[in-house]
Amino acid sequence: DAKTTQPNSMESNEEEPVHLPCNHSTISGTDYIHWYRQLPSQGPEYVIHGLTSNVNNRMASLAIAEDRKSSTLILHRATLRDAAVYYCILRDDGGTDKLIFGTGTRLQVFP
Amino acid sequence: EAGVAQSPRYKIIEKRQSVAFWCNPISGHATLYWYQQILGQGPKLLIQFQNNGVVDDSQLPKDRFSAERLKGVDSTLKIQPAKLEDSAVYLCASSPDRLRPEQFFGPGTRLTVL
Repeated sequence: DAKTTQPNSMESNEEEPVHLPCNHSTISGTDYIHWYRQLPSQGPEYVIHGLTSNVNNRMASLAIAEDRKSSTLILHRATLRDAAVYYCILRDDGGTDKLIFGTGTRLQVFP
Repeated sequence: EAGVAQSPRYKIIEKRQSVAFWCNPISGHATLYWYQQILGQGPKLLIQFQNNGVVDDSQLPKDRFSAERLKGVDSTLKIQPAKLEDSAVYLCASSPDRLRPEQFFGPGTRLTVL
């Protein structure tokens, strides 16, 4: 299974943009990049996913490098509620639908 | 739309005892997953059901763990006998089908084995 590398932790101030990086140098052509986040004492929550093009939704934006070996989750204006562990996951949406979680990035947001 | 329901939320048992967790997925969701999340780690898939059939149980310790999904709706995960290393949060997730990108997670059951 393709692996991802994320920083253990990041910090941000409220109302500032946050860029959460993810490296996936061994990504295959059929792997989609998925992001989930896990708020304290809750189950993970889907954030966004993409294949090649940048993606936007109401929660975040996903910027994917042209060679697809890295991606960045962008929170445009961090709020205290965005404090969570963010997981970057590769999933072969054309094959197994298994999600393999790493240890993620713990995002702290300060008021 | 109601989310994934799990019970109990917390359970404390002694080693060698048995325990069972219950999950009610979102109505109409065909795919159901059980994950184990040890403190400080990401969730690890234990078993995946498609309707009432098992799709993947390769990470399930079958000597002590069992799971079933009767009638393709609710599911139970059982541990018998429990070990200290089973202390973790057990998460249930569901998805409309295997091709959908989103999995919807319940709040989890925190198990402490003493």
